[in-house]
Amino acid sequence: QLQLQASGPGLVKPSETLSLTCTVSGGSISSRSYYWGWIRQPPGKGLECIGSIYYSGSTYYNPSLKSRVTISVDTSKNQFSLKLSSVTAADTAVYYCARLYYHDSSVYRAGWFDPWGQGTLVTVSS
Amino acid sequence: DIQMTQSPSSLSASVGDRVTITCQASEDISNYLNWYQHKAGKAPKLLIHDASNLETGVPSRFSGSGSGTDFTFTISSLQPEDNATYYCQQFDNLPLTFGGGTQVEIK
Repeated sequence: QLQLQASGPGLVKPSETLSLTCTVSGGSISSRSYYWGWIRQPPGKGLECIGSIYYSGSTYYNPSLKSRVTISVDTSKNQFSLKLSSVTAADTAVYYCARLYYHDSSVYRAGWFDPWGQGTLVTVSS
Repeated sequence: DIQMTQSPSSLSASVGDRVTITCQASEDISNYLNWYQHKAGKAPKLLIHDASNLETGVPSRFSGSGSGTDFTFTISSLQPEDNATYYCQQFDNLPLTFGGGTQVEIK
């Protein structure tokens, strides 16, 4: 059974870089069928997709965060990572990692997150 | 970005009640819509994809319908373990976007 677990500092200072790692167990991150994504949920707000990565290193970033986001993959460790630079209080959120099943062709479309990791709270504060 | 509007934002119902949540897209998304269940402190769980396709292992009391801009999620007979927040999510266009969520409380 595939499981994902996000880890990283729970407290980051304003203007610094938030760094999280998602460890995938029970399956290979190098599967050709899936992407790997980051989603966040600020307190009292809805879910926001941050971006995703394919095992080859191909990435997609939400345009609203693109200038500050870097997602990378380490297939040898079965991990993928998120870096968000120049953070402010608005970046305080529970951050989730998830497997993304995504296809966009003329004959088939898919785009859902399954499974998700449990989430990790990151607070931006001095 | 495609905006997803869910209603209501919260509801309270009794065990055995039929519960309906709606999700409206800001533009036509065909049937490219998913539903998730999120219990407090746990990982969100995919329940339905492509508007009406139930994930394997998900109880049949959950169902989804709709296409275009208007979608419905139904719990036919609410159970105590259904206490959770439910989200819709579109995959017609990037970025993938979610509705604001509907918190379902058991009376």
